[in-house]
Amino acid sequence: QKEVEQNSGPLSVPEGAIASLNCTYSDRGSQSFFWYRQYSGKSPELIMSIYSNGDKEDGRFTAQLNKASQYVSLLIRDSQPSDSATYLCAVNVEGGGADGLTFGKGTHLIIQP
Amino acid sequence: DAEITQSPRHKITETGRQVTLACHQTWNHNNMFWYRQDLGHGLRLIHYSYGVQDTNKGEVSDGYSVSRSNTEDLPLTLESAASSQTSVYFCASSERANTGELFFGEGSRLTVL
Repeated sequence: QKEVEQNSGPLSVPEGAIASLNCTYSDRGSQSFFWYRQYSGKSPELIMSIYSNGDKEDGRFTAQLNKASQYVSLLIRDSQPSDSATYLCAVNVEGGGADGLTFGKGTHLIIQP
Repeated sequence: DAEITQSPRHKITETGRQVTLACHQTWNHNNMFWYRQDLGHGLRLIHYSYGVQDTNKGEVSDGYSVSRSNTEDLPLTLESAASSQTSVYFCASSERANTGELFFGEGSRLTVL
C-alpha cells in the first residue's frame, strides 16, 4: 500500500516569512511528485511538479526532492495571506498514469497578516 | 478558454436513488478521472478513462459506474446511493496519460439522506 504522509496542520506562518511544507512517501519506486493547492471549498490546482532530486523554483515557490530520504517539500517565500490554503502532495511511479497517483491528506496553511 | 465543468454543483438525494454526476471538458483530453474527497481520507480515485470506450476501476469503485461515449464527457453514476457516498466529487482530466498533472473541475457536493 503506497502511503503519502503530510502533517495536517494547521501550520501558521506570519506574512512575509517562509512557509515550509513537508511530505514523505513510502514507495521507493516513486519518480514523479506534485504539489496541489486547494482553497477552502474549491478544487485542487497544480502548482508544482518535480521529477529529479534537488530544487525546482517557480516564482515564490520552490519544490525540493530527496529520493534517498523519500521526502519532498514545498517552500513558499514571502508568504502572503492569499497563500492560505490546503496543500496536497501527490506521488507517482515513473511514467505512471494518474491512476497510480497517490495523494496525501494535505497540510492546512494559514498565513497570518 | 478550455475548461472542465461539473454538474450539478450541489445535490441532495435519498438512499437507494440513482444519481448521475456530469463532467464535461473542452480541452480534448483523452484522460479523465473521478475522485472523491472526504475528511480524513484525502482524494481517492473512483474510476478513470484513457479514451473513448475505455473505463477502469479505481481504488473505491464499488457502487459507482462510468461510461465514455465521447472525448468530452465522463458521467459518474451511483446506481443506488448510500449514505457512505456523501462526499465531494471531483472530475479531472490530463493532457498526457503518463502524468500526475491534472486539471480539476469545480466539484460536486453530494448528500445522501
